[in-house]
Amino acid sequence: QKEVEQDPGPLSVPEGAIVSLNCTYSNSAFQYFMWYRQYSRKGPELLMYTYSSGNKEDGRFTAQVDKSSKYISLFIRDSQPSDSATYLCAMMRIGYSTLTFGKGTMLLVSP
Amino acid sequence: EAGVTQSPTHLIKTRGQQATLRCSPISGHTSVYWYQQALGLGLQFLLWYDEGEERNRGNFPPRFSGRQFPNYSSELNVNALELEDSALYLCASPPRGTRSSYEQYFGPGTRLTVT
Repeated sequence: QKEVEQDPGPLSVPEGAIVSLNCTYSNSAFQYFMWYRQYSRKGPELLMYTYSSGNKEDGRFTAQVDKSSKYISLFIRDSQPSDSATYLCAMMRIGYSTLTFGKGTMLLVSP
Repeated sequence: EAGVTQSPTHLIKTRGQQATLRCSPISGHTSVYWYQQALGLGLQFLLWYDEGEERNRGNFPPRFSGRQFPNYSSELNVNALELEDSALYLCASPPRGTRSSYEQYFGPGTRLTVT
């Protein structure tokens, strides 16, 4: 079992839809949970991060972490064509220097 | 301030050759991470350099190596290229004053194609 599992998609939705992106993980030592967004031909950029459990909201984006289920989610409300990108979940243990990434989910939002 | 830069944008090599990829972190940032993003495998950690020293490496063979220069720029070398080395190689650095962080600033990557 890989440490971080993420469905590669693609996930196709119409503009305005609510999008749910998810990752599961196996290592309970992960404490930092991040979502990176990667547009085509670009490097990833940090979208949101959460420390430990709970929810975090930033505009149209909400990140959720359920450590008991080892499950994290990213919700996008009122999705826009400009949200079309690959979304990578990433995790990090305290005291460790490296991030562990999921494979990324490709999201396509059609006008 | 300028972001992380990488060169070249594209690199085409034949099997058995050597490839050299370069990265310049954001000015004042001293740590550099290298990642491989191969199709179907996701982003995998390769190497971490900080203050000129290799601090950690991922699960890759020794033919993947690199170095960090006094100006904090970095070079990734891949020897004896194999077809499966074809991937996007990304360089990243954490925020100024940190060695590691959940937040990393990525460059645009170098697309390496091995034929």
